[in-house]
Amino acid sequence: EIVLTQSPGTLSLSPGERGTLSCRASQTVNSDFLAWYQQKPGQAPRLLMYAASRRAAGIPDRFSGSGSGTDFNLTIRKLEPEDFAVYYCQQYGTSPRTFGQGTKVEIK
Amino acid sequence: QVQLVQSGAEVKKPGSSVKVSCKASGGTFSEFPISWVRQAPGRGLEWMGGIVHMLGRTEYAQKFQDRVTITADEFTTTAYLELSSLRSEDTAVYYCGTTDLQLWFMDVWGQGTTVTVSS
Repeated sequence: EIVLTQSPGTLSLSPGERGTLSCRASQTVNSDFLAWYQQKPGQAPRLLMYAASRRAAGIPDRFSGSGSGTDFNLTIRKLEPEDFAVYYCQQYGTSPRTFGQGTKVEIK
Repeated sequence: QVQLVQSGAEVKKPGSSVKVSCKASGGTFSEFPISWVRQAPGRGLEWMGGIVHMLGRTEYAQKFQDRVTITADEFTTTAYLELSSLRSEDTAVYYCGTTDLQLWFMDVWGQGTTVTVSS
């Protein structure tokens, strides 16, 4: 199975700052089928990005995804108060469709 | 767009089984993958498995292979997750999710079903 390792575990930032989250795969992600989700307490996850760099419907353009192969990033250009949450990557190109362990973006 | 509505919370004894449902409305039910993902308290997301009913295809994470069964009923447009031999570590919120593409990411999620395993 493909193991996804996210870093850092926690990212402490102030509103307006830029944040970059990393997701590294233990083997090549098939066709760059890598998604990013945001989750807030008590809510279901929300899809942000798929195919590594495609924004899901309704996602603001301050979110961007990049990378290919085994190394992927999610960048949040200027953090808004509502962006403080936990972020997960998922590879969906190979079964089992594994998730990373998550990165918490907290207010500094 | 498709919407997913899950069954209500469950409290189960260790060693028993639980069956969680996920009813889809809108979209074309049998063509697209429906995944099941769980989240234990304070923990991350864990992909358990999924189904593409039209293809007769079911996938399971190896961790759950011998305890989980995922099925779907095209006539009621409902997917099911059954987990057997429950233990306290199975206490979690269980989500179903799907997309209207033939891909295994999820842009539509159910509201989650809390399963509590306690003696």
